[in-house]
Amino acid sequence: NAGVMQNPRHLVRRRGQEARLRCSPMKGHSHVYWYRQLPEEGLKFMVYLQKENIIDESGMPKERFSAEFPKEGPSILRIQQVVRGDSAAYFCASSPRQLGALGNQPQHFGDGTRLSIL
Amino acid sequence: GQQVMQIPQYQHVQEGEDFTTYCNSSTTLSNIQWYKQRPGGHPVFLIQLVKSGEVKKQKRLTFQFGEAKKNSSLHITATQTTDVGTYFCAGPSSNTGKLIFGQGTTLQVKP
Repeated sequence: NAGVMQNPRHLVRRRGQEARLRCSPMKGHSHVYWYRQLPEEGLKFMVYLQKENIIDESGMPKERFSAEFPKEGPSILRIQQVVRGDSAAYFCASSPRQLGALGNQPQHFGDGTRLSIL
Repeated sequence: GQQVMQIPQYQHVQEGEDFTTYCNSSTTLSNIQWYKQRPGGHPVFLIQLVKSGEVKKQKRLTFQFGEAKKNSSLHITATQTTDVGTYFCAGPSSNTGKLIFGQGTTLQVKP
């Protein structure tokens, strides 16, 4: 029973390049969340998606960052024209469809993508 | 906006000592969840509390949800080196259901 799969595990980019981070949720999960974590810091929420729908993108910078979760295939977090400050660990999490109260399902995290900008 | 705060940020204990981390929300929560992240790892779900005043135990770990459903605590009895890591609490946002994570408490255990 595969968990949340993220790839690549490590990604190195030069300033100005594009970074694409992929996340395949657990089987049966229709909700995906992206978080960013700097060393020694907490998890910063970026975006919450369902299939073909962005539910909450309040934590994602308006410029250079975008996310999608298409009907088929993994969720993608895309960072255009990367800068040094984008270096961080990016975690994806998934959960099943919410039943009852919002946010009542535990989230299952992937191993993360460590993004380094040269 | 809605906030979840955790204290302390860091805690160093001698192996065998107890440890407690506290979590406070600015709003009433429908549930609270706890996660553990080992150094270099990813967050792993530990437990969810739903009812007012609820107490749950997992071996040496005791989780409590406050009567007002705005605060929670995690207590570890007789810490071991395997308890090392960062413990996060998280509560759902009232509008979209995304989880709002506390800043985490990093536990170091000296053998």
